[in-house]
Amino acid sequence: DIQMTQSPSTLSASVGDRVTITCRASQSVNSWLAWYQQKPGHAPKLLIYKASNLEVGVPSRFSGYRSGTEFNLTISSLQPDDFATYYCQQYNSYSPEWTFGQGTKVEF
Amino acid sequence: EVQLVQSGAEMKKPGESLRISCEASGYSFNTYWIAWVRQTPGKGLECLGLIYPGDSDARYSPSFLGQVTIAADKSVSTAYLQLDNVGASDSGVYYCARRAMRPGYNALDIWGQGTLVSVSS
Repeated sequence: DIQMTQSPSTLSASVGDRVTITCRASQSVNSWLAWYQQKPGHAPKLLIYKASNLEVGVPSRFSGYRSGTEFNLTISSLQPDDFATYYCQQYNSYSPEWTFGQGTKVEF
Repeated sequence: EVQLVQSGAEMKKPGESLRISCEASGYSFNTYWIAWVRQTPGKGLECLGLIYPGDSDARYSPSFLGQVTIAADKSVSTAYLQLDNVGASDSGVYYCARRAMRPGYNALDIWGQGTLVSVSS
């Protein structure tokens, strides 16, 4: 199994801050990496696909970057609506052997 | 509006089976893969398997082979997840999600609202 390691597990930030979350894959997943946002009591919401592509309707303050097996999600200027938990997911196959990171909670 | 609507919460005893439904609307159900993902306190987010409703081609994660059955009924645009011989570690929220359709591999772009499953004796 491909392991996805996210850091940090918790991130304390303020409105207007630039924040970066990192996800590292245990082996190559090429650029088949997605980022999701989840709020309490809700399903995950797709933000970024294929490492750096913004899903339709997602604000441009969100961006993704890949360097080898390390992936970053950056929020350029944190907004009140962005306080949530973020997950990375590798989907480097047609079979369902996809794996998610353990999540990063962004809080005040 | 594209949406997936799941059936309601389930309470089960250890060893029982459960079945969750996921009704699709607002798009062509037959032509998008539907995945089942669960979120548990112990293991976080895990993919159980997925199905292509057009021909009912189902794929399963090795971790859930033998415990999970995924089906689809095109006539009612609904996918189903059956989980057999449940235990306490199967308690959590179960989601269906649509796999996007872009060139290459795809992430999950539309999610159901989730179904809470509680397993307790």
